[in-house]
Amino acid sequence: GQQVMQIPQYQHVQEGEDFTTYCNSSTTLSNIQWYKQRPGGHPVFLIQLVKSGEVKKQKRLTFQFGEAKKNSSLHITATQTTDVGTYFCAGPNYGNKLVFGAGTILRVKS
Amino acid sequence: EPEVTQTPSHQVTQMGQEVILRCVPISNHLYFYWYRQILGQKVEFLVSFYNNEISEKSEIFDDQFSVERPDGSNFTLKIRSTKLEDSAMYFCASRWGQGVSEAFFGQGTRLTVV
Repeated sequence: GQQVMQIPQYQHVQEGEDFTTYCNSSTTLSNIQWYKQRPGGHPVFLIQLVKSGEVKKQKRLTFQFGEAKKNSSLHITATQTTDVGTYFCAGPNYGNKLVFGAGTILRVKS
Repeated sequence: EPEVTQTPSHQVTQMGQEVILRCVPISNHLYFYWYRQILGQKVEFLVSFYNNEISEKSEIFDDQFSVERPDGSNFTLKIRSTKLEDSAMYFCASRWGQGVSEAFFGQGTRLTVV
């Protein structure tokens, strides 16, 4: 079945450093979604990318969708302590479920 | 802002007991899901529900699990005979459509089986 892989599993950065998480799907995706889960919280939708090669920005967050629509990345510039949490990518399968990557846990040292 | 609500927030149960986790999805949404997350691990798909029936289920969702939408608003997950390994956070989610539609998650129910 469809698999969504995400790396790294864990990243610990100094406040002000950049952070990137990468997502790869075993199949071509119609779109990819990114979610953030704060410690003790629930996944919250951040953004969705639909077009091949699409790049979207949300303040210090930059999201990219690969040309082949099988990979994506989330880059955070100048991390802040409010960025801590787990970042998940998710892609729809042939049905109607969202398949989540394993997530990247981000910790920020101040 | 509309939200998905889940009750209870925390449930402790004895091994072998039945539990029912409850969810009220967003009212105009059509697709409903249960996911679970064992502490610190990934969000695992359990089941999707559309048009009053299960549309897909994972291999985790065996015969001890069932879902219902009894009254057009609630969406429940029942675990018939809980095991220790069922201890996890269970998230309900809903979407208005499939494909490009985002998922809205509830706050989760932390199930502890002792």
